[in-house]
Amino acid sequence: NAGVTQTPKFQVLKTGQSMTLQCAQDMNHEYMSWYRQDPGMGLRLIHYSVGAGITDQGEVPNGYNVSRSTTEDFPLRLLSAAPSQTSVYFCASSYSGGDNQPQHFGDGTRLSIL
Amino acid sequence: GNSVTQMEGPVTLSEEAFLTINCTYTATGYPSLFWYVQYPGEGLQLLLKATKADDKGSNKGFEATYRKETTSFHLEKGSVQVSDSAVYFCALSDRGSNYQLIWGAGTKLIIKP
Repeated sequence: NAGVTQTPKFQVLKTGQSMTLQCAQDMNHEYMSWYRQDPGMGLRLIHYSVGAGITDQGEVPNGYNVSRSTTEDFPLRLLSAAPSQTSVYFCASSYSGGDNQPQHFGDGTRLSIL
Repeated sequence: GNSVTQMEGPVTLSEEAFLTINCTYTATGYPSLFWYVQYPGEGLQLLLKATKADDKGSNKGFEATYRKETTSFHLEKGSVQVSDSAVYFCALSDRGSNYQLIWGAGTKLIIKP
């Protein structure tokens, strides 16, 4: 049972480069989210999706794009990387909306922008 | 708007000590409350939750009670172990946040043998 799988686990980029962080879940969850985790700040929501074809912005969406063409996959794109995007990125999924649905997290992608 | 405030860390305790990590919240509605744990190098895992006032969530010896009158959800454990060393996050979810989780900053717990 794979759960939420994130790739890559580590990545170093140069300023201005682009890349895509991959996220896949095999639990048939409708809700998927991307967070970034910075020291002393907890998790901040970047983008989220309530189902295939539907995405919305979170607290810190600037510099990131997402799409949701299938239920399973929710990639996060950095179009032009900046040092301020150095962070640990977590993808999460949950079965549905509602206030008692726990989120399942991937192991994270540690991204450094030089 | 909704928010969660946790006590700052790190919290350093000796093995078998009693643990309390404070969490208070602000919410416009009636939120559900969660504690997540992040072990070194791993993603977050749900530790426990409570969905209405006076509910007590419990798991792995940890407990937290949903106190609406004090808007608190403090995490407690009677006797901590070295393996409990991790970062603990308090979070809430309700209709006002479109059921997205609102997170505290996290509290790092260090248990010394």
